[in-house]
Amino acid sequence: DVKVTQSSRYLVKRTGEKVFLECVQDMDHENMFWYRQDPGLGLRLIYFSYDVKMKEKGDIPEGYSVSREKKERFSLILESASTNQTSMYLCASTSGGYGYTFGSGTRLTVV
Amino acid sequence: QQQVKQSPQSLIVQKGGISIINCAYENTAFDYFPWYQQFPGKGPALLIAIRPDVSEKKEGRFTISFNKSAKQFSLHIMDSQPGDSATYFCAASRGSTLGRLYFGRGTQLTVWP
Repeated sequence: DVKVTQSSRYLVKRTGEKVFLECVQDMDHENMFWYRQDPGLGLRLIYFSYDVKMKEKGDIPEGYSVSREKKERFSLILESASTNQTSMYLCASTSGGYGYTFGSGTRLTVV
Repeated sequence: QQQVKQSPQSLIVQKGGISIINCAYENTAFDYFPWYQQFPGKGPALLIAIRPDVSEKKEGRFTISFNKSAKQFSLHIMDSQPGDSATYFCAASRGSTLGRLYFGRGTQLTVWP
């Protein structure tokens, strides 16, 4: 069964910490995405990547960076976590834009 | 600027009824319109999708109706069941954008038994 795996289901971090969210897919997909999900705001795109070492900003990239050193792994980095980054983070992958596969999400709380 | 607008934000339907969720878009270059279903604690999962060369697509109790001239599409859930209670997202994309989907803000559907 193909899947997208996010390393943590729940995380609690302190303000100012550097936070790493990891995502791994086993489908050999080229394109990977990071979204955050907030009530009433839906899914907002943070960053995406269409190839190893390539990245593109989404709609809300401020305060985030990403890393894609290997095709199967896409990491989201919060350089200095703030309370307004408390959210559900979802990773997704696709081979061509049709039919995303999402991970189960990481619920991050910044205190 | 929101590329895809979805309504209603929440919907309560009685078991056996029809659930209808609507979406509208502006970018005429969009050529793929999927719907995603999300249960609590899970990521969204692809439910059904349509391309603009057809006006309707049906899979079981789920139907997408597509109106190209009005730039609108909708999800109909026939004979709604309590197990359909979830959050539904519409989305749109165009083939040249490296797979990027533009999502609506979601509709929380509750089906009462």
